[in-house]
Amino acid sequence: NAGVTQTPKFQVLKTGQSMTLQCAQDMNHNSMYWYRQDPGMGLRLIYYSASEGTTDKGEVPNGYNVSRLNKREFSLRLESAAPSQTSVYFCATARKDRGNTEAFFGQGTRLTVV
Amino acid sequence: LAKTTQPISMDSYEGQEVNITCSHNNIATNDYITWYQQFPSQGPRFIIQGYKTKVTNEVASLFIPADRKSSTLSLPRVSLSDTAVYYCLVGDSSNYQLIWGAGTKLIIKP
Repeated sequence: NAGVTQTPKFQVLKTGQSMTLQCAQDMNHNSMYWYRQDPGMGLRLIYYSASEGTTDKGEVPNGYNVSRLNKREFSLRLESAAPSQTSVYFCATARKDRGNTEAFFGQGTRLTVV
Repeated sequence: LAKTTQPISMDSYEGQEVNITCSHNNIATNDYITWYQQFPSQGPRFIIQGYKTKVTNEVASLFIPADRKSSTLSLPRVSLSDTAVYYCLVGDSSNYQLIWGAGTKLIIKP
């Protein structure tokens, strides 16, 4: 039972390159999320998916795209990386039962764009 | 989503009890209050959750007054390893976004 698994853990990109961050969960949760966290800052929501087949923009979606491939997988794509996208990226799932929400996070992907 | 307000930072000493308060004036009837802990380079992890009055587990207690407009996370006898950022999150039954506040950076000194 792995919980939430992100790949890769580390990545260095050159400006303009593209890449996809992968996230998979085995918790059977409907909701999945992508966040970025800059040094010393809080979590900012990039995109989320309330259920399989749906995705919605969060607070900072510009420069990113997502795909909810199935219930287990939610990927984040950077089409043309920029230095401003240097950050730690976290994938999360949430168990939601009316107002009772509990979030579970992956181990993070440390991305550097040079 | 119910907005939360917490102190930006706090510090204390080993062996002391630490209380961190979160304000959530717009909490909805069905919302629960959940607290998370985040260490550097890791994702937040669940500490405790409650709806009203008091909840206690092996690591913390959560106090929620009758009006539920605030909550207090209590960490008994803290150690250096409790140095972390603590987030208060209020569940929203109608909105699937999970927006996190800035959290409270707790520093424990020897």
